[in-house]
Amino acid sequence: AQSVTQPDIHITVSEGASLELRCNYSYGATPYLFWYVQSPGQGLQLLLKYFSGDTLVQGIKGFEAEFKRSQSSFNLRKPSVHWSDAAEYFCAVGAGVTGGGNKLTFGTGTQLKVEL
Amino acid sequence: GAGVSQTPSNKVTEKGKYVELRCDPISGHTALYWYRQSLGQGPEFLIYFQGTGAADDSGLPNDRFFAVRPEGSVSTLKIQRTERGDSAVYLCASSLNGRGNYEQYFGPGTRLTVT
Repeated sequence: AQSVTQPDIHITVSEGASLELRCNYSYGATPYLFWYVQSPGQGLQLLLKYFSGDTLVQGIKGFEAEFKRSQSSFNLRKPSVHWSDAAEYFCAVGAGVTGGGNKLTFGTGTQLKVEL
Repeated sequence: GAGVSQTPSNKVTEKGKYVELRCDPISGHTALYWYRQSLGQGPEFLIYFQGTGAADDSGLPNDRFFAVRPEGSVSTLKIQRTERGDSAVYLCASSLNGRGNYEQYFGPGTRLTVT
């Protein structure tokens, strides 16, 4: 069964500082990996996704993530955080079974606080 | 264009009552998913529809939960004999199809409170 671990429940960074949110996954085959952001009262918004190819993927809002198969990790990074990035971030892995849907397994999330 | 919509946005019900939660997916999306998000947790998969059929209902917690999508568009999640433990935000997502490389677009959710 697939699983996702986000070891950091809360992270606080200063505006303008760099950010890295950790994500480790467990899945038997090549995973479909996602990062979503959830702001209060808002739905989940996709930041970026990895299926294959280049292991460094670029997303929206200046975020990027790197897939490292040897470490079973898919960490999210941003070089300079803005106050508007304060939100909860979820890493997810999808089974991606052809014709069988792509049910996502989410981590427990990392709450990001940005200090001005 | 319109995104995924869910109604109601909030639902308060008494223990033992029956509730229905509605999801309107993006037009043309054949895949529809239901997830449940408890406080402090990530969303958990409940059920996946491809067209009108429930292709994977392995996440439904018990037989009090049921979902339908009769015309391949709108879906309704039905919960019988609600329990306090059912309190959560119920999220719906749709995708162009069920393939893994297609993005799931999430609705804002229905917050269910069972008193």
